[in-house]
Amino acid sequence: SAVISQKPSRDICQRGTSLTIQCQVDSQVTMMFWYRQQPGQSLTLIATANQGSEATYESGFVIDKFPISRPNLTFSTLTVSNMSPEDSSIYLCSASTGGVTEAFFGQGTRLTVV
Amino acid sequence: QKEVEQDPGPLSVPEGAIVSLNCTYSNSAFQYFMWYRQYSRKGPELLMYTYSSGNKEDGRFTAQVDKSSKYISLFIRDSQPSDSATYLCAMSDLYNRDDKIIFGKGTRLHILP
Repeated sequence: SAVISQKPSRDICQRGTSLTIQCQVDSQVTMMFWYRQQPGQSLTLIATANQGSEATYESGFVIDKFPISRPNLTFSTLTVSNMSPEDSSIYLCSASTGGVTEAFFGQGTRLTVV
Repeated sequence: QKEVEQDPGPLSVPEGAIVSLNCTYSNSAFQYFMWYRQYSRKGPELLMYTYSSGNKEDGRFTAQVDKSSKYISLFIRDSQPSDSATYLCAMSDLYNRDDKIIFGKGTRLHILP
């Protein structure tokens, strides 16, 4: 199966700054997603990264806070903007070659905002 | 009521025991039922899935779906310390055109040697 490389694996950032997380898949995929995993909470979908067009955001998530790019079929970035301690979480990239049972995940980016 | 409910645990059982992990859900349109395993500091990996109702077995793992009760289970037989991880149930509906998956909170499982 395909492999996702996510960078950075962890970071500690100052409040008010921004962090861009990269997601690279080793083969072309149909769908790419970004999730947030907070302690004690469900894995929550932030947005679907659409190739060549604006991402589709879930309720509660906005483009100004979480801008996403997907320039091709193997790469996407998520930026967490103007960070606050409430943004401390694990951010996960996921991809699918077709169908919900084909989804796979990167190892995640552990973000701490101080 | 959340769409998917899952007891976060932790659940500690001795090695060799049978483990039962469960989730309930509210959306009757869910047709795909998945179990993911997540080791510490790793991303979730798909363990197994079922479509609609019934049972599915894969080695030591059995997934069950009871749509009438909106209840799904994952059984692990002859549990091993290497099974220690967080198990997330996940679901998706038949009419989902965007491959969206709804996850439970995950149950932390510890298998005691």
